[in-house]
Amino acid sequence: QKEVEQNSGPLSVPEGAIASLNCTYSDRVSQSFFWYRQYSGKSPELIMSIYSNGDKEDGRFTAQLNKASQYVSLLIRDSQPSDSATYLCASQPDNYGQNFVFGPGTRLSVLP
Amino acid sequence: EAQVTQNPRYLITVTGKKLTVTCSQNMNHEYMSWYRQDPGLGLRQIYYSMNVEVTDKGDVPEGYKVSRKEKRNFPLILESPSPNQTSLYFCASSGSGTGAEQFFGPGTRLTVL
Repeated sequence: QKEVEQNSGPLSVPEGAIASLNCTYSDRVSQSFFWYRQYSGKSPELIMSIYSNGDKEDGRFTAQLNKASQYVSLLIRDSQPSDSATYLCASQPDNYGQNFVFGPGTRLSVLP
Repeated sequence: EAQVTQNPRYLITVTGKKLTVTCSQNMNHEYMSWYRQDPGLGLRQIYYSMNVEVTDKGDVPEGYKVSRKEKRNFPLILESPSPNQTSLYFCASSGSGTGAEQFFGPGTRLTVL
């Protein structure tokens, strides 16, 4: 059974701080990883994708992947109250398929 | 506007009464998927389709059917709904290529009494 695990939170950080969200996955053959943001009552929207070991930066967001440890993380710098949402980590075992596995999500609260 | 649409957005029904949730995308995407989202369990993939007439089971396909007769449409069918299918359902579509972004519909909240 392929699994993606995340701490459900809530994770609370003060405005301007760095929020660190973590995710582990069980399927060693997973190739691609994704971070989605979901506001309450809304549909998920993609923040970042990462396929190679190391860091990938996009604005205030940095995704980190360590395939040896089966670990993915998302750092949000200069956190804003508008970042308050649930963050979903997802893996895709096969780059050519469409079988995605999502974690349960981590709820982030950025306090003004 | 590029989008994925779902109908209905809200539905309350009774056990055993067949229902269909429609999904349509206007981005000419090859891939489409259905998910259900339950508290504490996250998004779980029900079925996905890689092209017209090509579908495959996701992680929780029991009690659901799908069809892909046209590229833009991917309806989800519950032949005999049961209360454990009460959930929030999302349709998603994506283009081909490694890690192509999935675009999600607005969701359908289904309650089966």
